[in-house]
Amino acid sequence: DGGITQSPKYLFRKEGQNVTLSCEQNLNHDAMYWYRQDPGQGLRLIYYSQIVNDFQKGDIAEGYSVSREKKESFPLTVTSAQKNPTAFYLCASSRLQGSYTFGSGTRLTVV
Amino acid sequence: QKEVEQDPGPLSVPEGAIVSLNCTYSNSAFQYFMWYRQYSRKGPELLMYTYSSGNKEDGRFTAQVDKSSKYISLFIRDSQPSDSATYLCAMSMSLGGAQKLVFGQGTRLTINP
Repeated sequence: DGGITQSPKYLFRKEGQNVTLSCEQNLNHDAMYWYRQDPGQGLRLIYYSQIVNDFQKGDIAEGYSVSREKKESFPLTVTSAQKNPTAFYLCASSRLQGSYTFGSGTRLTVV
Repeated sequence: QKEVEQDPGPLSVPEGAIVSLNCTYSNSAFQYFMWYRQYSRKGPELLMYTYSSGNKEDGRFTAQVDKSSKYISLFIRDSQPSDSATYLCAMSMSLGGAQKLVFGQGTRLTINP
């Protein structure tokens, strides 16, 4: 079955650490996205990518970085510069025009 | 003012009731309108997708869009306990080759048996 796989499901980060969240899709979608979800604030766009080797900042990109070396993969790194990283992170993909398909999310907690 | 406004609830109704969920928006550039359902600790799943004003029905779900009033609604008929979830409205705008979805806060819905 086609879909989006996010891993890990739960992730714990110590202060000052960088961590990388994985996102893989086998839907042959061109565009991929990372959103952050906080209670009471809905989903906010972190980064998006339209094609391989190209990506753009979203509304809250500070403290995050991404890469898009393969069409299927769009990993997100949460750097130590992100001061409030505890959140639910959602990866999504879409055709150039169409609805998103979401992964099951990664819950990141700072310890 | 947020681009998309959605009452976060919570909303609690008895089983079998008709549920009405609503969002308003301010950006006329939005092209497509969606409703997603999200169960706790899961990713959102698409329920309804539409791009024009009017109604679209799919089983017990009806999506309504009124572009002149910048208002969208989702109606759930014969609501079931399994419909208990957070419902997110979303609207898309073009980002060149991709598209940005702007989400409402989500409405937490509980259907009581």
